[in-house]
Amino acid sequence: NAGVMQNPRHLVRRRGQEARLRCSPMKGHSHVYWYRQLPEEGLKFMVYLQKENIIDESGMPKERFSAEFPKEGPSILRIQQVVRGDSAAYFCASSPNRDSSYEQYFGPGTRLTVT
Amino acid sequence: KNQVEQSPQSLIILEGKNCTLQCNYTVSPFSNLRWYKQDTGRGPVSLTIMTFSENTKSNGRYTATLDADTKQSSLHITASQLSDSASYICVVIPNFGNEKLTFGTGTRLTIIP
Repeated sequence: NAGVMQNPRHLVRRRGQEARLRCSPMKGHSHVYWYRQLPEEGLKFMVYLQKENIIDESGMPKERFSAEFPKEGPSILRIQQVVRGDSAAYFCASSPNRDSSYEQYFGPGTRLTVT
Repeated sequence: KNQVEQSPQSLIILEGKNCTLQCNYTVSPFSNLRWYKQDTGRGPVSLTIMTFSENTKSNGRYTATLDADTKQSSLHITASQLSDSASYICVVIPNFGNEKLTFGTGTRLTIIP
């Protein structure tokens, strides 16, 4: 049973370009969470999705950031018109259930560098 | 102010020695508290999960304790190994669901031979 997969592992974008980060949850998991980790900081919650639905996006910046989790395929975190401050590690996690007793399993992360 | 504070920020110990990492939290009420290990360049991996009613939980050389009255948790590592070098993150999960995890900033542990 493969774990949570994220790609690409490393992404370099110039200011103003778009970044697309992909996350494939563990088999059987329909709940996906995205986190951002800035250098020397802890992980911060961004958005929680179930298949085809955004449940909680309270951690997402209001502009330029969007996320989706379609019926088929991976979850996508999209950052438009990237700026230097978007440089960070973006982690995806998945769980079989929203209940807090269920553990979240993390992917290896995508390291975004904006030049 | 972060709702989950960890100390020390960094720690260096000799291989084979024991160490204890601290976590103080203000999140309340909470459902459970987890300790994660994050190797450099990797995602966090769960070490222990404790509900608010548990006092201690072990996983091999890792032992976590929880004092819900003082809102403190600790992670004790015995007989440290070089592979223990990583960041250790305390995470508090409130009652209302998995999406509201609150992460500490972690303790960076370095084991030297």
